[in-house]
Amino acid sequence: AQKVTQAQTEISVVEKEDVTLDCVYETRDTTYYLFWYKQPPSGELVFLIRRNSFDEQNEISGRYSWNFQKSTSSFNFTITASQVVDSAVYFCALSEAGKLIFGQGTELSVKP
Amino acid sequence: SAVISQKPSRDICQRGTSLTIQCQVDSQVTMMFWYRQQPGQSLTLIATANQGSEATYESGFVIDKFPISRPNLTFSTLTVSNMSPEDSSIYLCSVDLFAGTGSTDTQYFGPGTRLTVL
Repeated sequence: AQKVTQAQTEISVVEKEDVTLDCVYETRDTTYYLFWYKQPPSGELVFLIRRNSFDEQNEISGRYSWNFQKSTSSFNFTITASQVVDSAVYFCALSEAGKLIFGQGTELSVKP
Repeated sequence: SAVISQKPSRDICQRGTSLTIQCQVDSQVTMMFWYRQQPGQSLTLIATANQGSEATYESGFVIDKFPISRPNLTFSTLTVSNMSPEDSSIYLCSVDLFAGTGSTDTQYFGPGTRLTVL
C-alpha cells in the first residue's frame, strides 16, 4: 500500500535558521507524483510543488528547495533563512490514481 | 491555478442536525474532491465527485452520512448528516487542474469549512 511518512511532528527554529522537513514515501508504482503543501494557521492548503518520479533534479524556488532521491524514497523540503511567515503545517503527499495520500504533517514554528 | 470558494467558512451546529457545504470554482473542472481534516490530524479523502455520475466514496465514508452533489463542472456540495461531535473537522474541497505537458494534474484546495458540532 502507498504511504507517506513525515517523522518530524514539530520543529521549532529561530528566524534566519535553515530547516529541512523530511518526507519518506512507499509505493509500488513506477510512475508517481509527489507534492508539498503548506497550511498556515488560517487553514487553507497552499500548493508548493509537484515532482514526477522521472525527474530527480532538485528544484529551488527562492528560499525553498526540494531534494528528491528515488534511491531512498525521500522528498525533502528545505527552507533557507527561515522567516516567521514560514510558520505553518507542511504536508507531503503522494498521488495514487489521481487521489492524494498525505503524510501526517510537520508543524514548523519560526520564532523571531 | 483556480479561484475556489467554500461556504460557509465556519459553523457551529447542534448534534443531530445536517450542514451542507458548498464549493464553487471559477473554471470548469472534471474532478472535484472532498477531504476531512480532524483536529490536529492530516487530510483524509472522503469522496471524489465527478459531474454526471455518482460520487465515489473512500473506505469508511458512506453516502447516507456524506451525500454529495455535482450538478455542473464548477460546483459541488457536501452534506454532513445527523452530525455528532466527532464530525467536528475542517472540510476542504479540491479541484484537479492540468499543470502542464507531461505532468499529472495538481489539486488545488479551497479555504476550508471549519465545523464544530456541540
